[in-house]
Amino acid sequence: SAVISQKPSRDICQRGTSLTIQCQVDSQVTMMFWYRQQPGQSLTLIATANQGSEATYESGFVIDKFPISRPNLTFSTLTVSNMSPEDSSIYLCRTPGQGFPYEQYFGPGTRLTVT
Amino acid sequence: AQKVTQAQTEISVVEKEDVTLDCVYETRDTTYYLFWYKQPPSGELVFLIRRNSFDEQNEISGRYSWNFQKSTSSFNFTITASQVVDSAVYFCALKPSGTYKYIFGTGTRLKVLA
Repeated sequence: SAVISQKPSRDICQRGTSLTIQCQVDSQVTMMFWYRQQPGQSLTLIATANQGSEATYESGFVIDKFPISRPNLTFSTLTVSNMSPEDSSIYLCRTPGQGFPYEQYFGPGTRLTVT
Repeated sequence: AQKVTQAQTEISVVEKEDVTLDCVYETRDTTYYLFWYKQPPSGELVFLIRRNSFDEQNEISGRYSWNFQKSTSSFNFTITASQVVDSAVYFCALKPSGTYKYIFGTGTRLKVLA
């Protein structure tokens, strides 16, 4: 199974600022996924990040607001730009597991509060 | 349309009671995967089980059991002799074939009272 870490685990940010969330995997993975979970809600996929190509964004999410980097096969970042209180959420990264391709492994999440 | 419905928004039980969390899914695919995840108050998602569409055997793992019925498109989750530590939000998810995307239900918040 993959071990995934995220930084920061939580943060409180002011409106209008940006926060970059890091996701580190202990093995090389082709695809990484970023999710948002607003308070009391389910998980919503933001984008899929493949190494060496631009991220693919889901409907309702745009690169200017959520730029993603994927510099190598073990690391990705998600930036939440020009934050507003509506961006207060848990942000999680996910990767398919090794060995059995349909396992899901989530990072521990980043709990973001925007004031 | 592909969809996962968890009709129970919140359930409260007293410790040691059995509780069943319902999950109904919609898909036209013949090959798909179903999952259950637990999200404790700390926020991380804990993988509980994966079931593929060709395997309708029920599964038991300790106090947890899962009932997969294709005829009713349901994948229900039962906790036997619930404990306070079982208090969490539980998500059911569907992975259609040919995609890495997962469709999550809205979750069921389980409160186990001492």
